[in-house]
Order: sequence, then structure tokens, then C-alpha cells
Amino acid sequence: QKEVEQDPGPLSVPEGAIVSLNCTYSNSAFQYFMWYRQYSRKGPELLMYTYSSGNKEDGRFTAQVDKSSKYISLFIRDSQPSDSATYLCAMRVGNNDMRFGAGTRLTVKP
Amino acid sequence: DSGVTQTPKHLITATGQRVTLRCSPRSGDLSVYWYQQSLDQGLQFLIQYYNGEERAKGNILERFSAQQFPDLHSELNLSSLELGDSALYFCASSPRTGTDGYTFGSGTRLTVV
Repeated sequence: QKEVEQDPGPLSVPEGAIVSLNCTYSNSAFQYFMWYRQYSRKGPELLMYTYSSGNKEDGRFTAQVDKSSKYISLFIRDSQPSDSATYLCAMRVGNNDMRFGAGTRLTVKP
Repeated sequence: DSGVTQTPKHLITATGQRVTLRCSPRSGDLSVYWYQQSLDQGLQFLIQYYNGEERAKGNILERFSAQQFPDLHSELNLSSLELGDSALYFCASSPRTGTDGYTFGSGTRLTVV
């Protein structure tokens, strides 16, 4: 079993839809949870950063962490074609190296 | 531009050869991380340096080595290259070796033929 599981998709939605992206993990020691967005031929860019359980909102993006279920989510409201990218979840224990999910490829169709 | 500079952007080389990938971290960042990204493996952590010293090692092959120089730039050396080493190699940096998110470069695409 991988430490971080993420459905690779691909996921295709119409413009304006609400998108839900998810990851599960097995290591209960993970404390810091992140979502990265990666456009084609580019490096991943940090989108959201949360510590421990709870919700965090930034514009159209909401990150949720449920440590009891070892489950994290990223919601994108009013999705736009410019949101089309691969979304990677990532998590770490304290100072240790970050573990990434495989990434979910999202396409938002106009 | 993320502030993390990787060179070269593309590299094509033959099996058995050796290459060096270079990374300049974002100004002020002391930690440098190297990742390998292939289609079937996702982002795999290779190695981390903090202020010139090796801090953590991931799934880095013995044929691969890295170092961080006094000016904080880092180099990843890949030797005895095999077809399976073809991948995107990313460098990332962060201010400390703490709990910050990483800033990634645009990567080096290595093709071994």
C-alpha cells in the first residue's frame, strides 16, 4: 500500500462545476498537508497549505483535512478552463521530506 | 518565474553516460530538494540538502549523487545512465528545513536513448 493514495483521473468537468479532489494516506503522523497545481511542462506550484485537521479557504479553493479518516480534499468552486492542470496532494511529518500523491489530471471544458 | 532556476531544460544522452543537473534555489532559501517525476511513479523524493549539508535521503540510486555548494546552488549527478532514468527531475527549495511548502523549478527533462 502506498503511503499516499490519489486517484489519477483523468477528471473532466464543464466550466462552472464544483470539483472535488481527494487523497487518502496511511501514516497517521502526517501533520502538514498541501495541494500543488502542476501545469503541463511546468513545476508544481503550492496552492494550499494546512496544518492538522480543519478547513482552509482561499478564493475559489477550499482544502479540508480529516485526520481521523486520514483523508484530505480540495474543492474548486466555479471551475475555469484555466484550472485545467494536474493537482497533487502532499504531506509531511514535521521536518521530514514531503510525500506526494500521484496527481489527478483535471480538465475544465468551456 | 518561481525563483528556482534549473538548467538545462532538456537533456538527451546515451545509456552509460553521465550528466549533471543544476539548480539555483530561490533567494534566501537554504534547503534544496531533488525529485524525480516519471509517468508511472509520480514525484519521488531523491535527496535534500540544507545549508550545504545532506539532510535526508529518499529513493536515490547509488549511481546518483548530489551536493550543495557554499553559494547554495545544488547539482545532481546521474551516472551509468539507463533507459529507465528518463524522467523529469525537479529541484525545489524552501527557507528552512522546517515545515514550509516548497517552491519548485521548471524541471530538467532527461531522455536516455
